[in-house]
Amino acid sequence: NAGVTQTPKFRVLKTGQSMTLLCAQDMNHEYMYWYRQDPGMGLRLIHYSVGEGTTAKGEVPDGYNVSRLKKQNFLLGLESAAPSQTSVYFCASRDGTFSEQYFGPGTRLTVT
Amino acid sequence: KNQVEQSPQSLIILEGKNCTLQCNYTVSPFSNLRWYKQDTGRGPVSLTIMTFSENTKSNGRYTATLDADTKQSSLHITASQLSDSASYICVVSARTNAGKSTFGDGTTLTVKP
Repeated sequence: NAGVTQTPKFRVLKTGQSMTLLCAQDMNHEYMYWYRQDPGMGLRLIHYSVGEGTTAKGEVPDGYNVSRLKKQNFLLGLESAAPSQTSVYFCASRDGTFSEQYFGPGTRLTVT
Repeated sequence: KNQVEQSPQSLIILEGKNCTLQCNYTVSPFSNLRWYKQDTGRGPVSLTIMTFSENTKSNGRYTATLDADTKQSSLHITASQLSDSASYICVVSARTNAGKSTFGDGTTLTVKP
């Protein structure tokens, strides 16, 4: 049981490049979330999903897109990376609305 | 707007000492409050969860309290250890918003020998 895994762990992009971050969970959770965490700040919600095939915008969605084609996977895409997107990205999943969120180990992204 | 404020921003204590971290929130309608521990370079891990009817919850040396009337919570750490050095995050969920939560900025705790 791996829990929540994220790929890759580190990445450096140049401005304008694109990439996709992969989140996978093996707990059969319905809800999945993508957050970003900047130094000295709390986690901010980018996008979330309440089930396979559904996605919704969070607090800071601009510049990101997501897809949930399979229940166990939640992909976060950056179409044209900007230095402001330099951050640590965390994926999380939960079983129900009020249950505990389980977080992945994070992806550290640097955009130069 | 839902908000969660934590204090202090950072704290340094000696190993073996106790400490208390604070969390004030304005999330409404309130569903539950969780305290998470985040080690450097890792994802947050849940320590405690409290609903409206609970006013204290313990997890080993960690004890969380909740006053739903004043919308305040605290996390008390007893007999601190070096491994307690981490960021502690207060997270409050509302009974709406598809399980979205409001995160505090965290308190960075450093335990020194």
